Order: sequence, then C-alpha cells, then structure tokens
Amino acid sequence: NAGVMQNPRHLVRRRGQEARLRCSPMKGHSHVYWYRQLPEEGLKFMVYLQKENIIDESGMPKERFSAEFPKEGPSILRIQQVVRGDSAAYFCASSPSSGRYTYNEQFFGPGTRLTVL
Amino acid sequence: GIQVEQSPPDLILQEGANSTLRCNFSDSVNNLQWFHQNPWGQLINLFYIPSGTKQNGRLSATTVATERYSLLYISSSQTTDSGVYFCAVEGEKGSNYKLTFGKGTLLTVNP
Repeated sequence: NAGVMQNPRHLVRRRGQEARLRCSPMKGHSHVYWYRQLPEEGLKFMVYLQKENIIDESGMPKERFSAEFPKEGPSILRIQQVVRGDSAAYFCASSPSSGRYTYNEQFFGPGTRLTVL
Repeated sequence: GIQVEQSPPDLILQEGANSTLRCNFSDSVNNLQWFHQNPWGQLINLFYIPSGTKQNGRLSATTVATERYSLLYISSSQTTDSGVYFCAVEGEKGSNYKLTFGKGTLLTVNP
C-alpha cells in the first residue's frame, strides 16, 4: 500500500520563476494538507483541501501561493515568482477522514525541498 | 490558537539508555500524533494517540487528555533513534483539522 507521494523531491528555482509541487495522497484518502518547514522554524500548516474544494487556507501567504486538488490527479501547490524566503521543505499529508470523533490520522509524504537561488 | 510545548528541546543519550519526551498543549484536542523526523528529513508516524496508552516495540506513548499532556517513552535507545521528535495536535475548537506542531525535541544517541 503506497504511502503519500510527492514530487519532485528536490527543486531548484531562480528568483521570479514558478514552482509546482505535486502530492498524491494515500489510496482511499480524500483529505490533503500542505505544511511548510522553514529553516529554524517548526512545521506550519498552509492549506487543507478535499477533492475540488479548498476547505481551509488560513496558513497560506496571501500572494503568490495557490493550491488545488482536482477531481482527477494529484494535489498541486503552486508558488509564483519565487523569492529566497520561499526556500523550505514542503510536506503534504493525507488522512482518510476529518472531524471530531473520527479516525483522522495524518500521514506525511517525504517532502519537496525547494531552493531558490 | 492552540499552543504546543515540547521538552526538553535537546537530549543526548548513550546507546541503551531510556528517555521520556513531554508534550504539553493548551486546549482540548481531537487528535494528537507523535512523529520522528529522521536525519534525511522524512516524517515518520510513531503514534496516533488522542488519549490512552499505546506501545510499539521499544516506543510507547501516553496521553492524559484531561491534564493536557502526552509522553513519549524510548527504551534501550539506538543510534537510529537520533533525529527530531515532534508532537502535533488538532485542537477541538476552530482548528479545521489542521495539526499544530511543537518545536520538537532533538535527540542524539551516541554509540
């Protein structure tokens, strides 16, 4: 049973370019979360999506960042016009369900390490 | 939002020693998970434990939800246990299912 898959594992971009990070959840999971781990900081929530819906994007920077989880295919985290401060590890997680009194353990992918030159 | 504090921030052990890591949280939780981030940066699920006690090999965890803390026990530590241990919680109120992470405990096990 494959785990959460992310690609690419490493991504190098120059300032001003676009970065696209992909995440395929575990089989049977329809809830996807994106987290960012900045150097010297902890892991921070960015966005929570279900198929074709953004449920909570309270952790996303207001500009340049967007996320989607289409009906078919992986979830995509898109960063436009990257800056050096975007350099970080981006983790995707998935869960089988969410909400109170449900089993909602989150499983994490290996992460994408973004370096902005 | 909910606050998560982990202690100690750093821990150095000799191989074979036992240790206890603590996680305090500021409000009621739906979900509490322990993770190990290995030296390659991967986050490994250790326990899903919003309450009660679980054991998995040399590791065990206990969450006392009414007192808002969780403990992770590592017995007979090995060098491969090195890395950062994170506690993460999903608060009951208004967190919309997101996990809030503590700053972690950096564990170094020396041979």
